[in-house]
Amino acid sequence: GAGVSQSPSNKVTEKGKDVELRCDPISGHTALYWYRQSLGQGLEFLIYFQGNSAPDKSGLPSDRFSAERTGGSVSTLTIQRTQQEDSAVYLCASSFEGQGGEQFFGPGTRLTVL
Amino acid sequence: AQSVSQHNHHVILSEAASLELGCNYSYGGTVNLFWYVQYPGQHLQLLLKYFSGDPLVKGIKGFEAEFIKSKFSFNLRKPSVQWSDTAEYFCAVNAPLNNAGNMLTFGGGTRLMVKP
Repeated sequence: GAGVSQSPSNKVTEKGKDVELRCDPISGHTALYWYRQSLGQGLEFLIYFQGNSAPDKSGLPSDRFSAERTGGSVSTLTIQRTQQEDSAVYLCASSFEGQGGEQFFGPGTRLTVL
Repeated sequence: AQSVSQHNHHVILSEAASLELGCNYSYGGTVNLFWYVQYPGQHLQLLLKYFSGDPLVKGIKGFEAEFIKSKFSFNLRKPSVQWSDTAEYFCAVNAPLNNAGNMLTFGGGTRLMVKP
């Protein structure tokens, strides 16, 4: 079956612009996670969605970052007024449930802010 | 806050050498432990996981890991590495969230290069 897909695979933007990153989780997975992978910071949790519950946003680094998940499936991560320190690979993962089950990762979106 | 430490940032081995990558975590509660691997140009893949039971777990491609609760460790091992094992390896532990889900807390990763 299809795995987690993300788009775009690469995004280059200018400082100050807004960007949207998309994630399509594996069909039937109720939990969806966003992580960020950057040099010097490793892999960091950003936000988590589980079913219809309110998302856990505790990992978002600033209020410029937001995410939504429509219909319990596709998710969009939005970064407003991008800064150079936002440059990283943004990873999406999904799992059957949020109780510590295996998370399946997408290929990521490489964001470069000039 | 939970944390995961991987002591080796870069490891270089020759083929057929034995491998052990260290991982220690700090978390007082029940944990699930994972090793993920990222081959060059590919996305993160699960290598093995420990939830409960036998503390020695076996994963894909001949890898295994041992959970030692008293040492808060979950070291990854392979008796004989191959050139194709060249990759970056991440140890991870789950952590509880307010709505009963579990994000992963990752270690800093270990880059393994296997020389043919």
